[in-house]
Amino acid sequence: DAGVIQSPRHEVTEMGQEVTLRCKPISGHDYLFWYRQTMMRGLELLIYFNNNVPIDDSGMPEDRFSAKMPNASFSTLKIQPSEPRDSAVYFCASSFLAGAHEQYFGPGTRLTVT
Amino acid sequence: QKEVEQNSGPLSVPEGAIASLNCTYSDRVSQSFFWYRQYSGKSPELIMSIYSNGDKEDGRFTAQLNKASQYVSLLIRDSQPSDSATYLCAVTTYSSASKIIFGSGTRLSIRP
Repeated sequence: DAGVIQSPRHEVTEMGQEVTLRCKPISGHDYLFWYRQTMMRGLELLIYFNNNVPIDDSGMPEDRFSAKMPNASFSTLKIQPSEPRDSAVYFCASSFLAGAHEQYFGPGTRLTVT
Repeated sequence: QKEVEQNSGPLSVPEGAIASLNCTYSDRVSQSFFWYRQYSGKSPELIMSIYSNGDKEDGRFTAQLNKASQYVSLLIRDSQPSDSATYLCAVTTYSSASKIIFGSGTRLSIRP
């Protein structure tokens, strides 16, 4: 298996623009997680899905952020409009079982908003 | 109080010595505990998981859990330069076993 795939790997955009991050989880994994990592706040869980259904989005910072999982092999995280404080590395992770099982992380998308 | 606390480091350890990384958590009924390793510019990868009190050994790594003290640690024996990385402690919460809460990580540096 290729592992968790994320695209793009790097994204530089201007404030106010829409940003869409993409993730393909490992085939057969029922759970998909979106994280954000910054030096100041560390690794934060934004939202997670189980069988394509959003279960907990309490970590989504505000209405500018939205996430979808239209099918078992694809998820998006959208920021509209983007702001400089959104600059971070965004990771997608998937797991076969939640919590008590290993989460496999993608390579991350480094987002810079100028 | 943060849910998962770690000393940010850096922790500098000579090659061949034992590196000891510590973590405390606030949710008394947390049930699953993990150590992830993250190299600079890379994504986290799981190196140890532990679910019951006591020690769990895997090669050069030993995870130790003390639920009464709400404390989990990671020992790395015979430290190698390749062990230089940030180590993230992670805990599942009682409110949702599906969520893993990560600590801010301890940066470990192994000096030759």
